[in-house]
Amino acid sequence: ETGVTQTPRHLVMGMTNKKSLKCEQHLGHNAMYWYKQSAKKPLELMFVYNFKEQTENNSVPSRFSPECPNSSHLFLHLHTLQPEDSALYLCASSPLFGQLYEQYFGPGTRLTVT
Amino acid sequence: RKEVEQDPGPFNVPEGATVAFNCTYSNSASQSFFWYRQDCRKEPKLLMSVYSSGNEDGRFTAQLNRASQYISLLIRDSKLSDSATYLCVVNLSGGYNKLIFGAGTRLAVHP
Repeated sequence: ETGVTQTPRHLVMGMTNKKSLKCEQHLGHNAMYWYKQSAKKPLELMFVYNFKEQTENNSVPSRFSPECPNSSHLFLHLHTLQPEDSALYLCASSPLFGQLYEQYFGPGTRLTVT
Repeated sequence: RKEVEQDPGPFNVPEGATVAFNCTYSNSASQSFFWYRQDCRKEPKLLMSVYSSGNEDGRFTAQLNRASQYISLLIRDSKLSDSATYLCVVNLSGGYNKLIFGAGTRLAVHP
């Protein structure tokens, strides 16, 4: 299934590095999301973009910087991360019309901060 | 109180068993409800949306009780391939596309 793709799938970075996560959706959706999933914790919504505009920032530290150049692409720029930021980062997309707003997820980037 | 609460399990059941998962949510104004399934080290995948009148998809039946703020998922004739974590998900009213995920209930189906 290639509806929502994410790269890289795995990333190891030091606390002083800068890296970016990329997400692309091929479903014609207008909303995109970043989630964080840590071990044994529920998915945590980080950011929401509707028609390329950020509509939600769920109190995410500034060391995470999202970018949405168009409705199909979403980036998460990372800098000076902490070891506790190690987690699975999931991108999702959804339509914006209709009642249900079902979201479809990419395979995630497993991030390890050393 | 957590916004979405689920029994973490695990539920260990034999093949062919019927198993039910429950979920409660705290925001009475919630509008949309879903069950997602997540396999180990994989992304969540939409299993089914939950409609007010209840709905069925093959071996899976979802029910919603708005008065009690309660959602359920029933799996009949369990298969080994049903082993996964099942996530209860609620769309908050006001945040029209802000999904809140429960921590999930783990199901292990054994031969």
